[in-house]
Amino acid sequence: AQKITQTQPGMFVQEKEAVTLDCTYDTSDPSYGLFWYKQPSSGEMIFLIYQGSYDQQNATEGRYSLNFQKARKSANLVISASQLGDSAMYFCAMREGRAAGNKLTFGGGTRVLVKP
Amino acid sequence: ETGVTQSPTHLIKTRGQQVTLRCSSQSGHNTVSWYQQALGQGPQFIFQYYREEENGRGNFPPRFSGLQFPNYSSELNVNALELDDSALYLCASSSGFPAYEQYFGPGTRLTVT
Repeated sequence: AQKITQTQPGMFVQEKEAVTLDCTYDTSDPSYGLFWYKQPSSGEMIFLIYQGSYDQQNATEGRYSLNFQKARKSANLVISASQLGDSAMYFCAMREGRAAGNKLTFGGGTRVLVKP
Repeated sequence: ETGVTQSPTHLIKTRGQQVTLRCSSQSGHNTVSWYQQALGQGPQFIFQYYREEENGRGNFPPRFSGLQFPNYSSELNVNALELDDSALYLCASSSGFPAYEQYFGPGTRLTVT
């Protein structure tokens, strides 16, 4: 089974509008972390936001927020007020338990194109 | 600017050859992870090094090997290159093990012909 599933291969969003990127995950470890990264065409992975499995509140970082629904095993990324510079690939990733160290398991990604 | 650098930026090799990719960690970071990203896919974990020792490996054959040096820079070596090894190779550095945040380098694009 896929550990991280991103069902939206690509999305268009109008500038200044909000967009939600879906991510579901699968793990039996009670301790895990969920990450979102942005990858522009340059290739570098840029960290956006983190949610720990024991965190009570949804994570927020500026225009990024994570809609964490633990029972449904989903960790959707919401980007508010989209900007042209938000056009990129977005990856959801998970780290399972402390024994995994820094190992991340990534989903297949969602390409976002912001239209002016 | 994350401070993680990788060299070379691009590389073209022939099937059967060997290649060494290099990663310079961000200052103060003692952990390095390597990932392979095939075109159109998410990155896949190769292995990670913490204080010069391999500490975790993904589902990659032994011809993928690595080193971490005392200054915490790192190398990824791939022997007997195959066409499927063509990919973007990313390294990520962090402080601590496990770490909340990892900083990725710009990657090395390897093409095997």
